[in-house]
Amino acid sequence: NAGVTQTPKFRVLKTGQSMTLLCAQDMNHEYMYWYRQDPGMGLRLIHYSVGEGTTAKGEVPDGYNVSRLKKQNFLLGLESAAPSQTSVYFCASTHLRGGDTGELFFGEGSRLTVL
Amino acid sequence: AQRVTQPEKLLSVFKGAPVELKCNYSYSGSPELFWYVQYSRQRLQLLLRHISRESIKGFTADLNKGETSFHLKKPFAQEEDSAMYYCALGGANSKLTFGKGITLSVRP
Repeated sequence: NAGVTQTPKFRVLKTGQSMTLLCAQDMNHEYMYWYRQDPGMGLRLIHYSVGEGTTAKGEVPDGYNVSRLKKQNFLLGLESAAPSQTSVYFCASTHLRGGDTGELFFGEGSRLTVL
Repeated sequence: AQRVTQPEKLLSVFKGAPVELKCNYSYSGSPELFWYVQYSRQRLQLLLRHISRESIKGFTADLNKGETSFHLKKPFAQEEDSAMYYCALGGANSKLTFGKGITLSVRP
């Protein structure tokens, strides 16, 4: 099993350009998440999804959009990239558990630079 | 609101020395706490969770509700323990709130 796969792994954008990060998981997980990792800030939740066709905002959603059209895929879009969105983006997934928090399985990360 | 505080950014120790990585949390309910680790060029992965009460790679962490802490400890550090460590607090829909992380450097 590949687990959680993110594409692309690296990307350089100019301010104002758009792009989409793709996250794919083959574990049949219901829940999926997008985090960003910045030095000194830890990981912060951007958006998440609790199932196919559903999405919700996390801690830092501004400037991002997401879609979960298929259970195995979770897309993160930047409509108009800004330098403040330079970061490493991590996708994660977990299965539905009754009553407690599941172990999150992470992708390898996507390093995005906005010039 | 949920909050996780890791007060130190870096801990550097010699091999064989004891390690304690501090984590404090703020949560109004019954907390679920985790330590995640990111080794160089590897993806972030779960190290341990408080409900398991187990030791992983020699690390242990005890939940202290009175002090709202979940410090990670290891009696004798190894070079392979060098990594970034994140304390995390579980919430609704399995969302995790992460601390800012601490880099552990174990010198030979």
